[in-house]
Amino acid sequence: DAKTTQPPSMDCAEGRAANLPCNHSTISGNEYVYWYRQIHSQGPQYIIHGLKNNETNEMASLIITEDRKSSTLILPHATLRDTAVYYCIVRVALDTGRRALTFGSGTRLQVQP
Amino acid sequence: DAGVTQSPTHLIKTRGQQVTLRCSPKSGHDTVSWYQQALGQGPQFIFQYYEEEERQRGNFPDRFSGHQFPNYSSELNVNALLLGDSALYLCASSLEGREKAFFGQGTRLTVV
Repeated sequence: DAKTTQPPSMDCAEGRAANLPCNHSTISGNEYVYWYRQIHSQGPQYIIHGLKNNETNEMASLIITEDRKSSTLILPHATLRDTAVYYCIVRVALDTGRRALTFGSGTRLQVQP
Repeated sequence: DAGVTQSPTHLIKTRGQQVTLRCSPKSGHDTVSWYQQALGQGPQFIFQYYEEEERQRGNFPDRFSGHQFPNYSSELNVNALLLGDSALYLCASSLEGREKAFFGQGTRLTVV
């Protein structure tokens, strides 16, 4: 799986959009970008994944650059409950059952009131 | 749907002892993975079970072993506990061929 680089920490004001960047310059053509988050003392939670098109679900939006070397997870209206560590993971999608998730250090997002 | 459940939630053991952690996967899921998360770090993959067999393994010693039962539930066993085994142990379940993994709340193991 390709290596990812994320800033160690970020702050965001409550109600504003949180934009979390991830660099994955060595991504291969068949690798997807996944995002998970981990709220304090809980297990990681799946957020979203994508290949090359932008994706949106009820939790977040994922913007992937045209060259696929970087991506941004967007939480459109951050709340205090979004305070968590966010992990960007690159992997081949459909073998989730055959290969482990490789977590880095992630970005610690602190949403400020 | 109860999701992924792990037991116990907290555990204190003495160096040299053995411990067994348990995981019940999300309903309908057939694959269980175990992760170790030390304080301040991301989860590290231990191993994965599918069809009652260990399918892949991370960089962990043989002191770490596991089992999957016919109902897909799983156990993680750690022998000869070391202080460095103190961590949050996470279980994740998924369905063969599907993209998402679902994690339990974890078991906090403290070795003294």
